[in-house]
Amino acid sequence: QKEVEQDPGPLSVPEGAIVSLNCTYSNSAFQYFMWYRQYSRKGPELLMYTYSSGNKEDGRFTAQVDKSSKYISLFIRDSQPSDSATYLCAMNSGGGADGLTFGKGTHLIIQP
Amino acid sequence: EAQVTQNPRYLITVTGKKLTVTCSQNMNHEYMSWYRQDPGLGLRQIYYSMNVEVTDKGDVPEGYKVSRKEKRNFPLILESPSPNQTSLYFCASSSGHYYEQYFGPGTRLTVT
Repeated sequence: QKEVEQDPGPLSVPEGAIVSLNCTYSNSAFQYFMWYRQYSRKGPELLMYTYSSGNKEDGRFTAQVDKSSKYISLFIRDSQPSDSATYLCAMNSGGGADGLTFGKGTHLIIQP
Repeated sequence: EAQVTQNPRYLITVTGKKLTVTCSQNMNHEYMSWYRQDPGLGLRQIYYSMNVEVTDKGDVPEGYKVSRKEKRNFPLILESPSPNQTSLYFCASSSGHYYEQYFGPGTRLTVT
């Protein structure tokens, strides 16, 4: 089963807050975990990817993967109005034939 | 500039009238893919191509055709469009890292 669960939101937080976005999944074969950001009327763009379990940090963004719980998170520190977008988690087993399995996306609003 | 382009960006058509949405990338990527994005359903893969003359079905291929005669181009063909194919379509490409997909700007298709 290739199901990925993601709360659609909207999630509204004040500027400067720490944001936590999450996805759960059921397919234990997934090894690559991605976060894409999609602005309105644009295509998704890759924000971060993580292989297997663990943490990865890039500036204000931190991605966490817990394969034992089948749970991934994206944290945004010092959130800015420009972070307002839809955030999509995506997963892949590592074989190209699978493509990417996406969550439905969480609509994030950062209030100035 | 490295990019994926799609044409047209917007299209309104009638049931049964054949149409083609073009996709082109200038990054010499082997892997290309088509997705559709629908409210409440998220991004779903239609077809993908691992390289020239190599294509395969994704999760929702019914009613669509693709071809990959050149590395840079991957057109999506709807031979007899129906209203349930009204959607936002994205083309994507990647190199050997299938998780790092670059998306085009999207084509909004309405079938009446």
